[in-house]
Amino acid sequence: KQEVTQIPAALSVPEGENLVLNCSFTDSAIYNLQWFRQDPGKGLTSLLLIQSSQREQTSGRLNASLDKSSGRSTLYIAASQPGDSATYLCAVRPGGGSQGNLIFGKGTKLSVKP
Amino acid sequence: GAGVSQSPSNKVTEKGKDVELRCDPISGHTALYWYRQSLGQGLEFLIYFQGNSAPDKSGLPSDRFSAERTGGSVSTLTIQRTQQEDSAVYLCASSLMSVAGGPGLDTQYFGPGTRLTVL
Repeated sequence: KQEVTQIPAALSVPEGENLVLNCSFTDSAIYNLQWFRQDPGKGLTSLLLIQSSQREQTSGRLNASLDKSSGRSTLYIAASQPGDSATYLCAVRPGGGSQGNLIFGKGTKLSVKP
Repeated sequence: GAGVSQSPSNKVTEKGKDVELRCDPISGHTALYWYRQSLGQGLEFLIYFQGNSAPDKSGLPSDRFSAERTGGSVSTLTIQRTQQEDSAVYLCASSLMSVAGGPGLDTQYFGPGTRLTVL
Protein backbone atom coordinates (compact mmCIF):
# COMPACT_ATOMS: atom_id res chain seq x y z
CA LYS A 1 0.00 0.00 0.00
CA GLN A 2 1.39 3.39 -1.04
CA GLU A 3 2.11 5.74 1.85
CA VAL A 4 3.29 9.34 1.59
CA THR A 5 5.19 11.03 4.40
CA GLN A 6 6.13 14.68 4.73
CA ILE A 7 8.81 16.00 7.03
CA PRO A 8 8.81 18.29 8.90
CA ALA A 9 5.17 18.64 9.93
CA ALA A 10 5.75 22.32 10.62
CA LEU A 11 8.48 24.80 9.79
CA SER A 12 9.03 28.43 10.76
CA VAL A 13 11.65 30.53 8.99
CA PRO A 14 12.52 34.23 8.75
CA GLU A 15 11.72 36.04 5.55
CA GLY A 16 14.36 35.72 2.85
CA GLU A 17 15.57 32.26 3.76
CA ASN A 18 15.78 29.44 1.25
CA LEU A 19 14.08 26.28 2.47
CA VAL A 20 13.44 22.67 1.53
CA LEU A 21 10.34 20.59 2.19
CA ASN A 22 10.63 16.83 2.04
CA CYS A 23 8.28 14.15 0.77
CA SER A 24 8.84 10.40 0.71
CA PHE A 25 6.72 7.59 -0.68
CA THR A 26 6.94 3.85 -0.09
CA ASP A 27 6.17 2.49 -3.57
CA SER A 28 8.35 3.79 -6.40
CA ALA A 29 5.77 2.73 -9.01
CA ILE A 30 4.22 6.15 -9.42
CA TYR A 31 2.84 7.90 -12.49
CA ASN A 32 3.49 11.41 -11.27
CA LEU A 33 3.99 13.52 -8.16
CA GLN A 34 2.29 16.81 -7.48
CA TRP A 35 2.95 19.58 -4.95
CA PHE A 36 0.07 21.73 -3.71
CA ARG A 37 -0.36 24.57 -1.28
CA GLN A 38 -3.40 24.95 0.94
CA ASP A 39 -4.32 28.22 2.61
CA PRO A 40 -6.49 28.11 5.75
CA GLY A 41 -10.14 27.48 4.93
CA LYS A 42 -9.44 27.15 1.23
CA GLY A 43 -8.95 24.44 -1.34
CA LEU A 44 -5.69 23.29 -2.82
CA THR A 45 -3.65 25.14 -5.41
CA SER A 46 -1.44 23.08 -7.69
CA LEU A 47 2.16 24.28 -7.67
CA LEU A 48 4.18 21.76 -9.66
CA LEU A 49 3.60 18.38 -11.27
CA ILE A 50 6.52 16.06 -12.04
CA GLN A 51 5.99 13.10 -14.34
CA SER A 52 7.70 9.86 -13.30
CA SER A 53 10.18 10.23 -16.17
CA GLN A 54 11.25 13.71 -15.06
CA ARG A 55 13.79 14.73 -12.44
CA GLU A 56 12.61 18.24 -11.64
CA GLN A 57 10.23 21.05 -12.43
CA THR A 58 10.63 24.77 -11.81
CA SER A 59 8.15 27.60 -11.47
CA GLY A 60 9.41 30.98 -10.34
CA ARG A 61 10.98 30.64 -6.90
CA LEU A 62 9.85 27.02 -6.62
CA ASN A 63 11.81 23.97 -7.69
CA ALA A 64 10.61 20.41 -7.17
CA SER A 65 12.83 17.39 -7.63
CA LEU A 66 11.95 13.73 -7.92
CA ASP A 67 14.08 10.67 -7.23
CA LYS A 68 11.66 7.86 -7.99
CA SER A 69 14.03 5.02 -7.22
CA SER A 70 14.62 6.24 -3.68
CA GLY A 71 11.03 7.35 -3.18
CA ARG A 72 11.81 10.99 -2.47
CA SER A 73 10.81 14.43 -3.63
CA THR A 74 11.82 17.85 -2.39
CA LEU A 75 10.24 21.25 -2.83
CA TYR A 76 12.76 24.07 -2.73
CA ILE A 77 11.50 27.59 -2.07
CA ALA A 78 13.98 30.38 -2.72
CA ALA A 79 13.97 33.73 -0.95
CA SER A 80 10.89 32.93 1.13
CA GLN A 81 8.22 35.59 1.68
CA PRO A 82 5.43 35.94 4.27
CA GLY A 83 2.95 35.22 1.46
CA ASP A 84 4.46 31.75 1.17
CA SER A 85 2.98 30.86 4.57
CA ALA A 86 0.60 27.94 3.98
CA THR A 87 0.43 24.18 4.25
CA TYR A 88 2.30 22.39 1.48
CA LEU A 89 1.02 19.00 0.40
CA CYS A 90 2.76 16.34 -1.63
CA ALA A 91 0.68 13.79 -3.54
CA VAL A 92 1.53 10.84 -5.76
CA ARG A 93 -0.54 9.29 -8.47
CA PRO A 94 0.10 5.56 -8.25
CA GLY A 95 0.82 2.98 -10.87
CA GLY A 96 0.84 3.30 -14.62
CA GLY A 97 -1.63 6.15 -14.83
CA SER A 98 -4.85 4.21 -15.17
CA GLN A 99 -5.64 4.89 -11.50
CA GLY A 100 -6.70 8.51 -11.31
CA ASN A 101 -6.75 9.29 -7.62
CA LEU A 102 -3.94 10.96 -5.69
CA ILE A 103 -2.43 9.74 -2.41
CA PHE A 104 -1.52 12.63 -0.15
CA GLY A 105 0.92 13.25 2.66
CA LYS A 106 -0.29 15.11 5.74
CA GLY A 107 1.53 18.26 4.74
CA THR A 108 4.13 20.66 6.05
CA LYS A 109 2.80 23.83 7.64
CA LEU A 110 5.13 26.66 6.69
CA SER A 111 5.28 29.97 8.49
CA VAL A 112 7.50 32.73 7.08
CA LYS A 113 8.08 35.51 9.60
CA PRO A 114 8.57 39.08 8.34
CA GLY B 1 -12.06 31.41 -16.12
CA ALA B 2 -14.29 29.82 -13.51
CA GLY B 3 -12.69 27.24 -11.28
CA VAL B 4 -14.21 24.30 -9.45
CA SER B 5 -17.10 25.38 -7.26
CA GLN B 6 -18.70 23.55 -4.36
CA SER B 7 -21.84 24.10 -2.37
CA PRO B 8 -22.67 24.59 0.36
CA SER B 9 -19.46 25.97 1.81
CA ASN B 10 -20.56 24.90 5.28
CA LYS B 11 -23.11 22.33 6.39
CA VAL B 12 -24.14 21.53 9.93
CA THR B 13 -26.41 18.54 10.38
CA GLU B 14 -27.65 16.24 13.09
CA LYS B 15 -26.49 12.69 13.45
CA GLY B 16 -28.64 10.36 11.40
CA LYS B 17 -29.67 12.89 8.75
CA ASP B 18 -28.78 12.61 5.08
CA VAL B 19 -26.70 15.30 3.36
CA GLU B 20 -25.93 16.16 -0.26
CA LEU B 21 -22.80 18.00 -1.32
CA ARG B 22 -22.50 19.50 -4.79
CA CYS B 23 -19.53 20.00 -7.09
CA ASP B 24 -19.38 21.95 -10.34
CA PRO B 25 -16.17 21.07 -12.17
CA ILE B 26 -14.30 23.24 -14.62
CA SER B 27 -16.12 23.24 -17.95
CA GLY B 28 -14.70 20.64 -20.31
CA HIS B 29 -12.97 18.60 -17.62
CA THR B 30 -13.81 14.93 -18.07
CA ALA B 31 -12.43 13.66 -14.77
CA LEU B 32 -13.91 14.51 -11.37
CA TYR B 33 -12.66 13.45 -7.95
CA TRP B 34 -13.97 13.58 -4.39
CA TYR B 35 -11.65 13.64 -1.37
CA ARG B 36 -12.18 14.36 2.30
CA GLN B 37 -9.87 15.97 4.82
CA SER B 38 -10.46 15.17 8.47
CA LEU B 39 -8.90 17.15 11.31
CA GLY B 40 -5.30 16.07 11.70
CA GLN B 41 -5.51 13.67 8.78
CA GLY B 42 -4.32 13.90 5.22
CA LEU B 43 -6.60 14.05 2.25
CA GLU B 44 -8.37 10.76 1.69
CA PHE B 45 -9.56 9.71 -1.76
CA LEU B 46 -13.24 8.79 -1.97
CA ILE B 47 -14.37 8.34 -5.58
CA TYR B 48 -13.58 9.46 -9.10
CA PHE B 49 -15.39 9.69 -12.40
CA GLN B 50 -13.77 9.59 -15.84
CA GLY B 51 -16.04 10.38 -18.76
CA ASN B 52 -18.67 7.70 -19.29
CA SER B 53 -16.68 4.97 -17.57
CA ALA B 54 -17.87 3.31 -14.38
CA PRO B 55 -16.68 5.36 -11.40
CA ASP B 56 -13.84 4.17 -9.19
CA LYS B 57 -15.55 3.82 -5.80
CA SER B 58 -12.64 2.14 -4.06
CA GLY B 59 -12.16 4.94 -1.54
CA LEU B 60 -15.70 5.17 -0.20
CA PRO B 61 -15.54 4.31 3.52
CA SER B 62 -18.97 2.69 3.80
CA ASP B 63 -22.16 2.05 1.85
CA ARG B 64 -23.64 5.18 3.42
CA PHE B 65 -21.56 7.14 0.92
CA SER B 66 -22.53 7.43 -2.74
CA ALA B 67 -21.94 9.84 -5.59
CA GLU B 68 -23.43 10.62 -8.94
CA ARG B 69 -22.27 12.65 -11.89
CA THR B 70 -25.06 13.80 -14.17
CA GLY B 71 -24.45 14.64 -17.79
CA GLY B 72 -20.73 14.37 -17.35
CA SER B 73 -20.64 17.61 -15.41
CA VAL B 74 -22.11 18.33 -11.97
CA SER B 75 -21.54 15.76 -9.24
CA THR B 76 -23.38 15.15 -5.98
CA LEU B 77 -21.88 13.29 -3.02
CA THR B 78 -24.54 11.88 -0.72
CA ILE B 79 -23.95 10.72 2.82
CA GLN B 80 -26.83 8.83 4.38
CA ARG B 81 -27.46 8.50 8.12
CA THR B 82 -24.54 10.78 8.95
CA GLN B 83 -22.27 9.93 11.86
CA GLN B 84 -20.02 12.25 13.87
CA GLU B 85 -16.94 10.68 12.30
CA ASP B 86 -18.18 11.95 8.92
CA SER B 87 -17.31 15.48 10.03
CA ALA B 88 -14.62 16.72 7.65
CA VAL B 89 -13.94 19.04 4.75
CA TYR B 90 -15.08 17.42 1.52
CA LEU B 91 -13.04 18.53 -1.48
CA CYS B 92 -13.86 18.10 -5.13
CA ALA B 93 -11.32 18.29 -7.94
CA SER B 94 -11.45 18.05 -11.70
CA SER B 95 -8.94 17.51 -14.49
CA LEU B 96 -9.02 17.49 -18.26
CA MET B 97 -8.51 13.75 -18.18
CA SER B 98 -7.34 11.12 -15.78
CA VAL B 99 -5.81 8.54 -18.11
CA ALA B 100 -2.26 8.99 -19.32
CA GLY B 101 -2.41 12.17 -21.29
CA GLY B 102 0.77 14.01 -20.65
CA PRO B 103 1.74 17.02 -18.58
CA GLY B 104 -0.98 19.49 -17.82
CA LEU B 105 -3.80 17.19 -18.84
CA ASP B 106 -4.09 15.36 -15.55
CA THR B 107 -3.32 18.21 -13.16
CA GLN B 108 -6.12 18.22 -10.60
CA TYR B 109 -7.77 21.55 -9.78
CA PHE B 110 -9.52 21.72 -6.44
CA GLY B 111 -12.60 23.52 -5.24
CA PRO B 112 -12.79 25.37 -1.90
CA GLY B 113 -14.46 22.44 -0.15
CA THR B 114 -17.57 21.90 1.94
CA ARG B 115 -17.04 21.81 5.69
CA LEU B 116 -19.44 19.23 7.12
CA THR B 117 -20.14 19.15 10.84
CA VAL B 118 -22.26 16.35 12.25
CA LEU B 119 -23.58 17.10 15.73
